[in-house]
Amino acid sequence: DTAVSQTPKYLVTQMGNDKSIKCEQNLGHDTMYWYKQDSKKFLKIMFSYNNKELIINETVPNRFSPKSPDKAHLNLHINSLELGDSAVYFCASSQDDRANEKLFFGSGTQLSVL
Amino acid sequence: QQQVKQSPQSLIVQKGGISIINCAYENTAFDYFPWYQQFPGKGPALLIAIRPDVSEKKEGRFTISFNKSAKQFSLHIMDSQPGDSATYFCAASNRGGGNKLTFGTGTQLKVEL
Repeated sequence: DTAVSQTPKYLVTQMGNDKSIKCEQNLGHDTMYWYKQDSKKFLKIMFSYNNKELIINETVPNRFSPKSPDKAHLNLHINSLELGDSAVYFCASSQDDRANEKLFFGSGTQLSVL
Repeated sequence: QQQVKQSPQSLIVQKGGISIINCAYENTAFDYFPWYQQFPGKGPALLIAIRPDVSEKKEGRFTISFNKSAKQFSLHIMDSQPGDSATYFCAASNRGGGNKLTFGTGTQLKVEL
């Protein structure tokens, strides 16, 4: 069983479109995250949710909107996609939001904006 | 602002050799330093982690050395194997940060036969 699963694995779309990436974890964790990995492999946190409550919101354009319907799911919706949004987006989870908890990452969604 | 600097960007090591990756940090509030390993097409996975109250932590062939005064830490992979070929990320976080990890820029390691 995949612990943190995200769909789709690949997403190719045109500039200006709206798209969503879904994430689910079956680890029973309270906290979920979205990370962005750019073309140089730099990993940066975007958001974190703890028990459906937004905890971390980095300086991300408001075109990005996370939604957590329950603590096992954290989806990412992106409006008006831009070329610079092309990246690999990773969902992750941890037991809770205390510092130093181990992160479990999904396999990533490679987003290509044409 | 790059709070965790990592070097080298890439590294080629012969099978059986020692791989060394270095990281330096600026924020003295950081108190947890994990290393993550990422294979192509996969997400990062925790490899080993250290807190600043010890200077070294060893797990199998992997060792973290930590120098608090210099604000530096490094990963040593002993007896490197081709299966160790991956990208390695150092990271740091601090209490009260909501488990927010700040990652280094990554090191692509290739272990040759």
